[in-house]
Amino acid sequence: GQSLEQPSEVTAVEGAIVQINCTYQTSGFYGLSWYQQHDGGAPTFLSYNALDGLEETGRFSSFLSRSDSYGYLLLQELQMKDSASYFCAVNTGFQKLVFGTGTRLLVSP
Amino acid sequence: DTAVSQTPKYLVTQMGNDKSIKCEQNLGHDTMYWYKQDSKKFLKIMFSYNNKELIINETVPNRFSPKSPDKAHLNLHINSLELGDSAVYFCASSQEPTSYEQYFGPGTRLTVT
Repeated sequence: GQSLEQPSEVTAVEGAIVQINCTYQTSGFYGLSWYQQHDGGAPTFLSYNALDGLEETGRFSSFLSRSDSYGYLLLQELQMKDSASYFCAVNTGFQKLVFGTGTRLLVSP
Repeated sequence: DTAVSQTPKYLVTQMGNDKSIKCEQNLGHDTMYWYKQDSKKFLKIMFSYNNKELIINETVPNRFSPKSPDKAHLNLHINSLELGDSAVYFCASSQEPTSYEQYFGPGTRLTVT
């Protein structure tokens, strides 16, 4: 089977840094994507890691360790608008993405 | 300038009815998808089409029938609706079937009563 595990919920305050972890077990692996989804909205692409290491995109960074089947999304200088659900997704190479269970991030003032 | 659009946004219907959801993308992408997001927000692929050809059918009941008249459109028809079909259905597109970056439509919230 295929599974991607994430914490169900993370809370933090404005201005803080938060890390959302993703561990995966899939039949194929080409890379790890991250998507953001606000309540009532559509998932939107944030970042992608095909190789080990850190990818930085503004306040957001994403990390991958293929040997550990593990990745994380790091959000810095948190803002209220970052309150949303975050999904990791594996590119399995079988022409589809498999999405994780999702992490709900709550940012408080 | 909507990239991926879906209609309708909300759909309330009774068990046993047949309904359709339409999707259009103006990104020039070759691949389109249907996803189902349940009440626990689990997002699961149902179908994908590449250049109007079905390439993925994820063990979805045959009451669900996608149709792609051209590569910019992918519609979803559902027969004999059941309570368990209640969910949010997202259409998405990407340049290639192997693309890690997909663009999602706004979703259609289907409620079956």
